[in-house]
Amino acid sequence: DQQVKQNSPSLSVQEGRISILNCDYTNSMFDYFLWYKKYPAEGPTFLISISSIKDKNEDGRFTVFLNKSAKHLSLHIVPSQPGDSAVYFCAASPRTGGGNKLTFGTGTQLKVEL
Amino acid sequence: GAGVSQSPSNKVTEKGKDVELRCDPISGHTALYWYRQSLGQGLEFLIYFQGNSAPDKSGLPSDRFSAERTGGSVSTLTIQRTQQEDSAVYLCASSSHANTGELFFGEGSRLTVL
Repeated sequence: DQQVKQNSPSLSVQEGRISILNCDYTNSMFDYFLWYKKYPAEGPTFLISISSIKDKNEDGRFTVFLNKSAKHLSLHIVPSQPGDSAVYFCAASPRTGGGNKLTFGTGTQLKVEL
Repeated sequence: GAGVSQSPSNKVTEKGKDVELRCDPISGHTALYWYRQSLGQGLEFLIYFQGNSAPDKSGLPSDRFSAERTGGSVSTLTIQRTQQEDSAVYLCASSSHANTGELFFGEGSRLTVL
């Protein structure tokens, strides 16, 4: 059973526009959420995180929103740039601060077109 | 080293053979994780080390899989009697503390079992 779901395997956005990547989770014990970015032939790299005590966290062009009642989070990238083209993984943990086991979604391939 | 180093980067083996995958974490990182990504899947947790001990090995798929860590540093993931379903990218990550969600990943070892 997939506890973290990314239902869109791919997303295409024009440069300069907003990219919105979505993630749903089912385990109500999750209280810390992260987004990782992965380029081909590289390991995933940490992008941004949010604790369940917040509903928004912003870092430059990247903002993560958390809706606990809907068990839904989203990553907004604005403005999108061609270098943002990558696979984005949503991850969740049952312990504030990440804990020792992240549960990952299947990823969304973002393509930012010129 | 500057980052998490994994070897080999690619391994092709015949069904039934044993393989060893190596991970050299970031110097000073006490926590080490193994994940794997099968085709079209998210990152699947395998095992977690804190120092040389493995408090959580719940993700190891079968008793053909084992891992050890020595000197609080290098870790080896061993797969005995490989099967075709073991084909995947095996990713190692480390973090400076077990309660941080920011894992630093290596580039992975791509295993192909023929």
